[in-house]
Amino acid sequence: GESVGLHLPTLSVQEGDNSIINCAYSNSASDYFIWYKQESGKGPQFIIDIRSNMDKRQGQRVTVLLNKTVKHLSLQIAATQPGDSAVYFCAENIRGFQKLVFGTGTRLLVSP
Amino acid sequence: DTEVTQTPKHLVMGMTNKKSLKCEQHMGHRAMYWYKQKAKKPPELMFVYSYEKLSINESVPSRFSPECPNSSLLNLHLHALQPEDSALYLCASSQAWGGTRGAGNTIYFGEGSWLTVV
Repeated sequence: GESVGLHLPTLSVQEGDNSIINCAYSNSASDYFIWYKQESGKGPQFIIDIRSNMDKRQGQRVTVLLNKTVKHLSLQIAATQPGDSAVYFCAENIRGFQKLVFGTGTRLLVSP
Repeated sequence: DTEVTQTPKHLVMGMTNKKSLKCEQHMGHRAMYWYKQKAKKPPELMFVYSYEKLSINESVPSRFSPECPNSSLLNLHLHALQPEDSALYLCASSQAWGGTRGAGNTIYFGEGSWLTVV
């Protein structure tokens, strides 16, 4: 219901730890996935993407894993820093619909 | 820093006002988007323009009227809005429409325009 939607899942970590943010998707026709970071008062910022013919992609300090069998996507952030604190959204493109659909988001809180 | 520029950053308008949100990108992208985002919720697609033609309208009320004067500009005209339309309005662009072909079609967002309807 609406009350559930008002509370974002939150992941709290210590500075220097590795963070793992998870996302489940439901449509097996999704063929492209993006992770976005959204800081307070700002627009979503592209972090990393992955196509459905891949199961892993690495960027600078970030890795995205895709498990199509269980329809699961994860974002791993190495050596998390206070500047990583933000809301993270996964987004999926559903083949044939030509639009990105966003997940509900996860708030990452990094303590010094 | 985003290369999608939105103005104004903040807008307060009455329910009888007419105002416009503006968006500009100079990345040579041919697809542009309007999204609406309420607090603590994910962005929701409103409109997609591809090569300056409206390709998707997600059943948005007619009090929101998009316009794409050229490949770099996207406007959202607002008229007779309701208080529940208060939200962050995000403009975005991509090289082409859909994001199905890898990083080349990644959708890049602007910082948004905060709209308050009173």
